[in-house]
Amino acid sequence: NAGVTQTPKFQVLKTGQSMTLQCAQDMNHNSMYWYRQDPGMGLRLIYYSASEGTTDKGEVPNGYNVSRLNKREFSLRLESAAPSQTSVYFCASSAGVNTGELFFGEGSRLTVL
Amino acid sequence: AQSVTQLGSHVSVSEGALVLLRCNYSSSVPPYLFWYVQYPNQGLQLLLKYTSAATLVKGINGFEAEFKKSETSFHLTKPSAHMSDAAEYFCAVSRSGNTPLVFGKGTRLSVIA
Repeated sequence: NAGVTQTPKFQVLKTGQSMTLQCAQDMNHNSMYWYRQDPGMGLRLIYYSASEGTTDKGEVPNGYNVSRLNKREFSLRLESAAPSQTSVYFCASSAGVNTGELFFGEGSRLTVL
Repeated sequence: AQSVTQLGSHVSVSEGALVLLRCNYSSSVPPYLFWYVQYPNQGLQLLLKYTSAATLVKGINGFEAEFKKSETSFHLTKPSAHMSDAAEYFCAVSRSGNTPLVFGKGTRLSVIA
C-alpha cells in the first residue's frame, strides 16, 4: 500500500529559485496538509485542504502557495525560495479535518543555499 | 487558541525502565488528543488517540496515555522501555469542528542499554 507519496525526497535550491513539492494519497481521503519540521519547532502547518476545491492557510503560510489538483493530489509551491525555507516538508492526509488520524508521507528534505 | 506543551525536549531512560513523556494542553473546549511517533528519517504515525470514550487510552507497542481534565494533561507512559522505542514523540490537540491538529514541539526519547 502506497499511502501518502511525496516527491522529490531531496532537493537543493539556490535562493530565488522556484520549485513544487508533489503529494498524492491513495486512501480516498478528503483532507490533505502540508507541514514543515524544523529542529526544536515541532511540526508547523503551512496550508491545508479540508476537501477538494478548498484550501486554507495554516500557521506559517508566507512564501508558499498550494494547489489541490484533485482529491488525490495536493502540491506545495515555493515561488522564490529563501534560506529560511530550508526544512523537512511533510504531506499528510486524513478522512476529515477533525477525525484526528493523519497519515504522513516520508518527507521531503529541502535545502536552500 | 488551542495549544499543546511538551515538557522536556529530550528524555533518556535505561532499557527496561519506565517511560514518561509529558504533555499539557490548553483548550477552551474538550479536546481530541493524540500521540504520534516519528522514527528516524520517517514520517509520523499515530500511537494513540483520546476522543472522550475513556480516560485511559491504550496504543500500539505497549504505550498508553491518561487524560486528566483537572490537570489538562495527557502524559504518555510505557512500563518498560525497549531499544526500539527510541524515536521522537509528538503530542497533538484538536477541538471538534473543522480545525487541523496542533502539534507540540516533540520529545526525543533515547533508550540506553
